[in-house]
Amino acid sequence: QKEVEQDPGPLSVPEGAIVSLNCTYSNSAFQYFMWYRQYSRKGPELLMYTYSSGNKEDGRFTAQVDKSSKYISLFIRDSQPSDSATYLCAMSYDNYGQNFVFGPGTRLSVLP
Amino acid sequence: NAGVTQTPKFQVLKTGQSMTLQCAQDMNHEYMSWYRQDPGMGLRLIHYSVGAGITDQGEVPNGYNVSRSTTEDFPLRLLSAAPSQTSVYFCASSYSTGSSSTDTQYFGPGTRLTVL
Repeated sequence: QKEVEQDPGPLSVPEGAIVSLNCTYSNSAFQYFMWYRQYSRKGPELLMYTYSSGNKEDGRFTAQVDKSSKYISLFIRDSQPSDSATYLCAMSYDNYGQNFVFGPGTRLSVLP
Repeated sequence: NAGVTQTPKFQVLKTGQSMTLQCAQDMNHEYMSWYRQDPGMGLRLIHYSVGAGITDQGEVPNGYNVSRSTTEDFPLRLLSAAPSQTSVYFCASSYSTGSSSTDTQYFGPGTRLTVL
């Protein structure tokens, strides 16, 4: 079993839809959680950063962590074609970069 | 600021050849790292450095060497290329080893390497 799992997609949605992207993990010690967005042929860029459980909102994006279920989610409201990218989750138990574990990513296409 | 730059963008090697992937950052970041990205595998850490003169191994270090003689540069050397090293390689840097909403790893655009 991989330490962090994501549905690879591709996930196709119409413009304006609410998108839900998810990761499950097996290590209960993880407490730092991140979502990265990666456009085609580019490096990942940090989208959301959360510590421990709960929700965090930033514009159209909401990150949710459920440590009891070992499950994290990224919601995108009013999705736009510019949101078309691969979304990677990452997590760590100690917030040190060398210990980040990345999921394989979910490819999202938002159709105009 | 140019951010994190990587050269070359693409490279094809034959088995057994050696080469160096270049990475440079102009943000005065202490922490730098190299990842490889393979389909279905996620980013995997190869080597990292917490400052000039200090390097350490990540999850998949075999077949790769690094050095950090300056804060700005962090080259990755493939000693004897193998087809299993076909991948996309990303260099990243951050101000500190930790991460937060404001101090995160900045990734370069990647080097696509094919080993025949």
